[in-house]
Amino acid sequence: GQQLNQSPQSMFIQEGEDVSMNCTSSSIFNTWLWYKQDPGEGPVLLIALYKAGELTSNGRLTAQFGITRKDSFLNISASIPSDVGIYFCAGKGGSEKLVFGKGTKLTVNP
Amino acid sequence: DAGITQSPRHKVTETGTPVTLRCHQTENHRYMYWYRQDPGHGLRLIHYSYGVKDTDKGEVSDGYSVSRSKTEDFLLTLESATSSQTSVYFCAISGQLNYGYTFGSGTRLTVV
Repeated sequence: GQQLNQSPQSMFIQEGEDVSMNCTSSSIFNTWLWYKQDPGEGPVLLIALYKAGELTSNGRLTAQFGITRKDSFLNISASIPSDVGIYFCAGKGGSEKLVFGKGTKLTVNP
Repeated sequence: DAGITQSPRHKVTETGTPVTLRCHQTENHRYMYWYRQDPGHGLRLIHYSYGVKDTDKGEVSDGYSVSRSKTEDFLLTLESATSSQTSVYFCAISGQLNYGYTFGSGTRLTVV
């Protein structure tokens, strides 16, 4: 089945630093989504991308839908302590189902 | 929060007992999903539903069954719980095919 490779698995950064994470796929997707999960909660949608090449921002977050439709990245600028959590990418091809990456665990040191 | 609730939030059960987890939505969304989340594996799809009485298997469906008798409720049943089913279970809903999912807050299940 479809698989997503998300990297890095974890990141330890200082407050104020920028963060970048990405996902790659072996197959083409029509939709890329980025989620954040806080401890003890379900994932929450951050950004949705629907077109190849699309670049979308949500506050300090920016995500892009790769031109090949097989990858996407998420950038967080000027990180703050509340950015801590697990970030998941997800992609959808022709089926009803999302495919999720395994997550990037972000730790921000004050 | 979007109208999706999971119950119970926490459960401890014994090996071999049946367990049912409930997902309830008030959004009238067509699609509903059950995932389990385990360290190192991310989110894995157990079963999903694309309408009342229409369900299908995901990638880790063995040992699980589901039912959807009305739009708002999607039940996940472990017929005979095993320790390998200790996990955090998430329900998700989606109104349209290419839109993102909205997740519930999860059920932490421990099988002892």
